[in-house]
Amino acid sequence: QVQLVQSGAEVKKPGASVNVSCKASGYTFTGYYILWVRQAPGQGLEWMGWINPNSGGTKYGQKFQGRVTMTRDTTLNTAYMDLSGLRSDDTAVYYCAKVSGTSSLPPLGEAFYWGQGTLVTVSS
Amino acid sequence: SYVLTQAPSVSVAPGQTASITCGGNNIGSKSVHWYQQKPGQAPVVVVYDDSDRPSGIPERFSGSNSGNTATLTISRVAAGDEADYYCQVWDLSSDHPVFGGGTQLAVL
Repeated sequence: QVQLVQSGAEVKKPGASVNVSCKASGYTFTGYYILWVRQAPGQGLEWMGWINPNSGGTKYGQKFQGRVTMTRDTTLNTAYMDLSGLRSDDTAVYYCAKVSGTSSLPPLGEAFYWGQGTLVTVSS
Repeated sequence: SYVLTQAPSVSVAPGQTASITCGGNNIGSKSVHWYQQKPGQAPVVVVYDDSDRPSGIPERFSGSNSGNTATLTISRVAAGDEADYYCQVWDLSSDHPVFGGGTQLAVL
């Protein structure tokens, strides 16, 4: 069965960086896009970016340009999201999600499978 | 950029029908996906491609999409349906997903 397992909760100081991992299993990792979505406390879902695990190509939300880097390791079937210059308003649950659309085409489709979420707390 | 608009909250009595709308410019030309999110949990797809239902999702959940409005309809609402519901489309001009702001469904 498809599973996305994320790394554990993090507490960071303002200005630091955080790296969240998302290990995929149960499907061909390179076959489907991975989205990164975050949710601040009491707020809605906010798209951060996506990565094509096959090509390594990425697209980032304008809000995160210059601060976020998404990578993958196809030998480990794992995607990574690195966010730098952390601020208190980056405190959120960060999710990875598998998009149903194939990586050989532009990204489309619903995100049927989600990781369990990683809480990142930014506090001095 | 493309914007999806949802009402912040909807209230419905148990056993009644809840309609949750998602507004967007010519949204009828896009495929709309709906997610249910309960506190402390990851989102779950309840309807995809406007009106398809994943296996395991009750038939009480249905979707439609036309013009500038997509609608998620939940019939015979039960207490267990209390959750936040988000619509989502892809902005094909910029190759990125767009989420609505979410609607909190309260079962009175």
